[in-house]
Amino acid sequence: QLQLQESGPGLVKPSETLSLTCTVSGGSVSSNRYYWGWIRQTPGKGLEWIGSIYYSGSTYYNPSLKSRVTISVDTSKNQFSLKLSSLTAADTAVYYCARHGSSWYLKWFDPWGQGTLVTVSS
Amino acid sequence: EIVLTQSPGTLSLSPGERATLSCTASQSVSSSDLAWYQQKPGQAPRLLIYGASTRATGIPDRFSGSGSGTDFTLTISRLEPEDFEVYYCQQYGSSPLTFGGGTKVEIK
Repeated sequence: QLQLQESGPGLVKPSETLSLTCTVSGGSVSSNRYYWGWIRQTPGKGLEWIGSIYYSGSTYYNPSLKSRVTISVDTSKNQFSLKLSSLTAADTAVYYCARHGSSWYLKWFDPWGQGTLVTVSS
Repeated sequence: EIVLTQSPGTLSLSPGERATLSCTASQSVSSSDLAWYQQKPGQAPRLLIYGASTRATGIPDRFSGSGSGTDFTLTISRLEPEDFEVYYCQQYGSSPLTFGGGTKVEIK
């Protein structure tokens, strides 16, 4: 059974860069059938897709965050990672990693990691 | 960007009743590329429906999805106690992938 687990700091200072990692078990990030994505959830804006990556390193991002986001993949560790720069309090959220299909008509998210709360505060 | 509007914001019903949740898109969602999720407090969303009407693995048949174009519906035929949660729709027909604001189904 495929499982995803987010890890990273729970507290980050404003203007700094958030780094989160998602570790995949029970499956491989090297599969050519899937993309691996990041989604965040805030009380104010709800669920927001951040971006996704393919095993080859091909990425696509939400334009609203694109200038601040980098997603990378490490196939040797079966992990993918998120970096979000120039943080403000508005980036405080629960961050989820999840898998979706590689074809456009398959891009629903399943499964999801349990999520990790990130607070931006000095 | 396709904006998804879910209504109502909160639905108050009793166990055994039928729930009808709406998701309206700001422009047509191609090929019925719409999914529904259920979220319990403190947990990640769980996939219920994809392709507007196909139930995900292990999802009870009391959950059904319908619709196309800009108007989609999630129906729970007979509410069980474990169904009183928050539900989200998501479109994946175009980038960016977007979610609705959610409908909370609460016990009346």
